[in-house]
Amino acid sequence: AQSVTQLGSHVSVSEGALVLLRCNYSSSVPPYLFWYVQYPNQGLQLLLKYTTGATLVKGINGFEAEFKKSETSFHLTKPSAHMSDAAEYFCAVRRNSGNTPLVFGKGTRLSVIA
Amino acid sequence: ETGVTQSPTHLIKTRGQQVTLRCSSQSGHNTVSWYQQALGQGPQFIFQYYREEENGRGNFPPRFSGLQFPNYSSELNVNALELDDSALYLCASSLAGQPQHFGDGTRLSIL
Repeated sequence: AQSVTQLGSHVSVSEGALVLLRCNYSSSVPPYLFWYVQYPNQGLQLLLKYTTGATLVKGINGFEAEFKKSETSFHLTKPSAHMSDAAEYFCAVRRNSGNTPLVFGKGTRLSVIA
Repeated sequence: ETGVTQSPTHLIKTRGQQVTLRCSSQSGHNTVSWYQQALGQGPQFIFQYYREEENGRGNFPPRFSGLQFPNYSSELNVNALELDDSALYLCASSLAGQPQHFGDGTRLSIL
């Protein structure tokens, strides 16, 4: 079975400050890991993914995440927050084989203060 | 290329009614997955179709059913609607094993 825990349902940062959204996962098999962003009244947009290889992955809009197997973590970061980053962020996991569905965390709402 | 499109965008139903939600997958994608996202929660997997066959199901009762058509579009049907079925229903398409691309969802409200 797989699960995802996102620490902090709401994170607030100042514009220009570091963004850090935390995600820990549980998986009985090597996982594929994802971060999605959801803007109001929209679906989910893929920010970045980890499948195999380099553990530091870069995504769109300046976001990146690092897969740390020893800590079962996949935290999302961005060096400098922009007002347009305000949204809901979801971490998700799935098995690394087969055509399997995503298991999502409960999400973290990011607010950016001017 | 055309992304994933869902219809309708909003729907209001009453308890006990039936509803059909529709999804057009992204061109070339042979897998469609449906998720339910309750207010303030992450999406929950309902079921998945691959080449017109259901090949995975989450913890949802049988009154949630679906179809996938030869052009890989899909329908989600829900019978005997309950108040707790109020949610955003998301459709995602992909090539098998590849990252999923989501539509903007259908917001279903049950009165």
